[in-house]
Amino acid sequence: AQSVTQLGSHVSVSEGALVLLRCNYSSSVPPYLFWYVQYPNQGLQLLLKYTSAATLVKGINGFEAEFKKSETSFHLTKPSAHMSDAAEYFCAVSERSNTGKLIFGQGTTLQVKP
Amino acid sequence: EAGVAQSPRYKIIEKRQSVAFWCNPISGHATLYWYQQILGQGPKLLIQFQNNGVVDDSQLPKDRFSAERLKGVDSTLKIQPAKLEDSAVYLCASSLRTGVIEKLFFGSGTQLSVL
Repeated sequence: AQSVTQLGSHVSVSEGALVLLRCNYSSSVPPYLFWYVQYPNQGLQLLLKYTSAATLVKGINGFEAEFKKSETSFHLTKPSAHMSDAAEYFCAVSERSNTGKLIFGQGTTLQVKP
Repeated sequence: EAGVAQSPRYKIIEKRQSVAFWCNPISGHATLYWYQQILGQGPKLLIQFQNNGVVDDSQLPKDRFSAERLKGVDSTLKIQPAKLEDSAVYLCASSLRTGVIEKLFFGSGTQLSVL
């Protein structure tokens, strides 16, 4: 069965600093991978997705993620954090079936300090 | 474009009572999902509909949970009777179609507290 592990339930960075949120997956076949973000009092929204094309994926709001098969990782990065990036971030893997079922990690809360 | 609408926003009930949540997906979206998000965990799929048919309900506790999507548009999720461990945020999402790379659009959720 596929699974996702997010390392660190809370990450705190200073405004302007690099953001790095870690995600490792377990899958017996090449997966589809996603990052979703949840701002306070809002629904989850898609940041970016990897669908077996380019391994470096660019998303909205300056975020990007790199698929590394050798490390079974899909870490999310942003060069310079903004206060508005404070939110909860979820990594997810899609089962390779035609249902498109998403399996989410437990989430990482990003705090941005002024 | 209007997003996924859910109601109520919050609900507090006592154990063994029943409760229902409502979801109206984005217009034209064929696929609708109900996820359960327990505090400190990621969302877990409860049930997935394609139009008004069930695609996946393998993780739905069918002895107490039920869901329907009449006419392939809005949907209702019911819990009867509720248990303490049902306290969670219930998220509804929709997508244009069913597929492994479809973008899901989520509602703001219904926060359920079972006392």
